[in-house]
Amino acid sequence: DTGVSQDPRHKITKRGQNVTFRCDPISEHNRLYWYRQTLGQGPEFLTYFQNEAQLEKSRLLSDRFSAERPKGSFSTLEIQRTEQGDSAMYLCAGGLETQYFGPGTRLLVL
Amino acid sequence: AQSVTQPDIHITVSEGASLELRCNYSYGATPYLFWYVQSPGQGLQLLLKYFSGDTLVQGIKGFEAEFKRSQSSFNLRKPSVHWSDAAEYFCAVGATGNEKLTFGTGTRLTIIP
Repeated sequence: DTGVSQDPRHKITKRGQNVTFRCDPISEHNRLYWYRQTLGQGPEFLTYFQNEAQLEKSRLLSDRFSAERPKGSFSTLEIQRTEQGDSAMYLCAGGLETQYFGPGTRLLVL
Repeated sequence: AQSVTQPDIHITVSEGASLELRCNYSYGATPYLFWYVQSPGQGLQLLLKYFSGDTLVQGIKGFEAEFKRSQSSFNLRKPSVHWSDAAEYFCAVGATGNEKLTFGTGTRLTIIP
C-alpha cells in the first residue's frame, strides 16, 4: 500500500458527459502526477503539481481536461464532454524522486 | 527527449526458472531508472530504482536490476520465479529532477507450472 488513494476506482459514463476524478496522496508528497494508461500501453504523463502549482502539462492534455490541486493536498482531474477515446486508466502518483502510484481510476466512455 | 524500449511484449517462463526482462533507454544525461509491476486492474508497484552509485540494485520480491551505461540498458532479473510474479512489468526513465516518468510499453510475464 503506497498510501495514495484514488476515487472512484471505476467510472462508466456516456459520451458528452463530464467526469471528475480525485487523488489523495500522503502528506509528504509535495509533487503529484497524473498519467493515463490505455490498454496494452505504458502510462503516459499528463501533468504534475508542485504543491498547488501546476508546473507542466502534456500535449495529451487537451482543452477538455483540467486538473487542480487546491491547498497542495488532494488533486482533481476533470474531463469535459467525454469522448470514447478518453476510455483509459487514469493513474495518480505522489512523491519526489520516486513516484508512488495509486490504484487508478478506470474510465469507460460509452 | 527520453524514451524507453522493452523489446519483449510477452514472456513465458516455468515456475522456478530464472527470468530476465530487457529494458533499453534513451536519455542524454544520467537517468533515473525504475521498474514497476502491475497486476490486472491495479496501480503500479515500485520494484526497484537506480539513481547513482552501485550499478546492481536490489529490489523487493527478490528482484534485481543492473544499470549498464555502455549499453543504455537496465535489465530486470530474478533467479527463481514464483507463480505470484505473473503480471505486467514496466521500465521507466526519469529526467534529473524527475518531473515526469517515461514508460516502456511493458512486458507481460506468464508463469507456467
